Amino acid sequence: GALVYQYPRRTICKSGTSMRMECQAVGFQATSVAWYRQSPQKTFELIALSTVNSAIKYEQNFTQEKFPISHPNLSFSSMTVLNAYLEDRGLYLCGALGQNTEVFFGKGTRLTVV
Amino acid sequence: QQQVRQSPQSLTVWEGGTTVLTCSYEDSTFNYFPWYQQFPGEGPALLISILSVSDKKEDGRFTTFFNKREKKLSLHIIDSQPGDSATYFCAASHMGYKLTFGTGTSLLVDP
Repeated sequence: GALVYQYPRRTICKSGTSMRMECQAVGFQATSVAWYRQSPQKTFELIALSTVNSAIKYEQNFTQEKFPISHPNLSFSSMTVLNAYLEDRGLYLCGALGQNTEVFFGKGTRLTVV
Repeated sequence: QQQVRQSPQSLTVWEGGTTVLTCSYEDSTFNYFPWYQQFPGEGPALLISILSVSDKKEDGRFTTFFNKREKKLSLHIIDSQPGDSATYFCAASHMGYKLTFGTGTSLLVDP
């Protein structure tokens, strides 16, 4: 079956520091990876859409300078949250798009900023 | 602004009953509509999905209906179980790219 692993599951970082999170697709080839952030109120924000060998497209209010993403192959992607502050807290989700249109999510990386 | 509206916000059903969740959308270019189930502290898990060329898809106790003309979709859960208690999200996109999520429905199945 199609699985998406994210790690770490949760992390706490000091305000102003950075943290990196990883995403791995297992059992299928992810043609694209989208990073989302889910707020404590459970709303979803799309951060960026990444397709291997194509430019990463960031949504409004999110930038490469703040959320650099690496997507070197069809099974792995990573994203860093640079200079994290309180407003960056939430559940960061990696959604991997399979070849039959379905999008599978990992369990997420919960970021707490103190 | 692309929107997906979902209702109800919360719902309680008795064990064995049928749960019905509904969503509506605006963007006529959307052609892929997944439903996700999310438990506290977990990521959303794909439950069932439908493409706009279909009007019904069934998977066990879960059935999703799609009405292209009215831009509406629904999720039916028959024989609801306490283990189905979770938050359910509908979503919409063009071919899986850039999912737009509904606001979620918190479902409680009472034993």
